[in-house]
Amino acid sequence: QKEVEQNSGPLSVPEGAIASLNCTYSDRGSQSFFWYRQYSGKSPELIMFIYSNGDKEDGRFTAQLNKASQYVSLLIRDSQPSDSATYLCAVTGGYQKVTFGTGTKLQVIP
Amino acid sequence: EAGVTQFPSHSVIEKGQTVTLRCDPISGHDNLYWYRRVMGKEIKFLLHFVKESKQDESGMPNNRFLAERTGGTYSTLKVQPAELEDSGVYFCASSPPPAGSVEQYFGPGTRLTVT
Repeated sequence: QKEVEQNSGPLSVPEGAIASLNCTYSDRGSQSFFWYRQYSGKSPELIMFIYSNGDKEDGRFTAQLNKASQYVSLLIRDSQPSDSATYLCAVTGGYQKVTFGTGTKLQVIP
Repeated sequence: EAGVTQFPSHSVIEKGQTVTLRCDPISGHDNLYWYRRVMGKEIKFLLHFVKESKQDESGMPNNRFLAERTGGTYSTLKVQPAELEDSGVYFCASSPPPAGSVEQYFGPGTRLTVT
């Protein structure tokens, strides 16, 4: 079992729709949860982080964390073609060693 | 503010040769990390420096890999001798103090190809 699991996609959504990206993790001791966006050939860019159960909103992005279910999600509202990228879920425990998922490719169709 | 920089951006070497990758973190970031992404796989942690000290090197694959961060500024990752399976993209990331800061900023990566 992978430590951080994501559906590789691609996930296709029409422009203006809500994109929902999901991630599960295996280590119950994980404390911090991150979403990175990676454009093709570029480096990962941190877009959201969440530490506590519940929702965290930042602009068009909402991160959701459910530690009991070991589940993290990212919602992107009003999706734009510029949101098309690979989204990496990442988790860390107490020692900052970040464990990444393989990423979900998002395609926003104009 | 300058971001994390890495050099070179690409490197093609033959099996058995030596390659040294360099990372310059964001100024003032005590924490420096090395990661590697092999094609089709997830990004994997290699090691973590706090200033010049190795905090965690549990991800280093074997003793052909040597990371240094003399003076606590830039870091180098040497692969000697390189093997075919070492091909991939090597990312460096940094984060500010304190040691508990986990919001890491990634460099553009070095794409290493071993032929």
